[in-house]
Amino acid sequence: EAGVAQSPRYKIIEKRQSVAFWCNPISGHATLYWYQQILGQGPKLLIQFQNNGVVDDSQLPKDRFSAERLKGVDSTLKIQPAKLEDSAVYLCASSSWTSGYNEQFFGPGTRLTVL
Amino acid sequence: AQTVTQSQPEMSVQEAETVTLSCTYDTSESDYYLFWYKQPPSRQMILVIRQEAYKQQNATENRFSVNFQKAAKSFSLKISDSQLGDAAMYFCAYVYSGGGADGLTFGKGTHLIIQP
Repeated sequence: EAGVAQSPRYKIIEKRQSVAFWCNPISGHATLYWYQQILGQGPKLLIQFQNNGVVDDSQLPKDRFSAERLKGVDSTLKIQPAKLEDSAVYLCASSSWTSGYNEQFFGPGTRLTVL
Repeated sequence: AQTVTQSQPEMSVQEAETVTLSCTYDTSESDYYLFWYKQPPSRQMILVIRQEAYKQQNATENRFSVNFQKAAKSFSLKISDSQLGDAAMYFCAYVYSGGGADGLTFGKGTHLIIQP
């Protein structure tokens, strides 16, 4: 079974530029999550999708971040315009019900550096 | 809001020895799950072990076991017979099990070093 795929793996941009990250979840996983992991910290949830609907985006900085999951499969996370503090690893995860729990599987992440 | 605290930024253990990583959490809920995740240098997060709050019995997965103290809101991970491949960042995580929003709340992590 293929895992969660993310691209690109690395991205370097100047502040105020725009950037987009792509995630392809495990086949059949209805739930998809985006996390932000700043260096030295644990991941922080940005947004959760159930199929193509948003379940939780309470920690998404909506003035600059946006995310979509068209057709309930792939997802894109966008930052516009980027700030220095957006430098982080962006992790995508997808989940399925296993033994009564929605087990999350993580992708390799995209490391963003904002200069 | 729920919080997860890992007070040990870094731990070091000799190969084949036992090490315990600490985690405390704060929640007003009674139904939840707790996890330990491993993140090797390649960054792919891997689930190590899971504990359901309603279960009194501590979870065990091969060399990995937890000490779950619900009243104290403590959830430590014990790694027995440490191996070089255990070297990684370890994150403790929490999720409330009673609703549709089930994004994980993570601690800051503990960097585990295995000395050969």
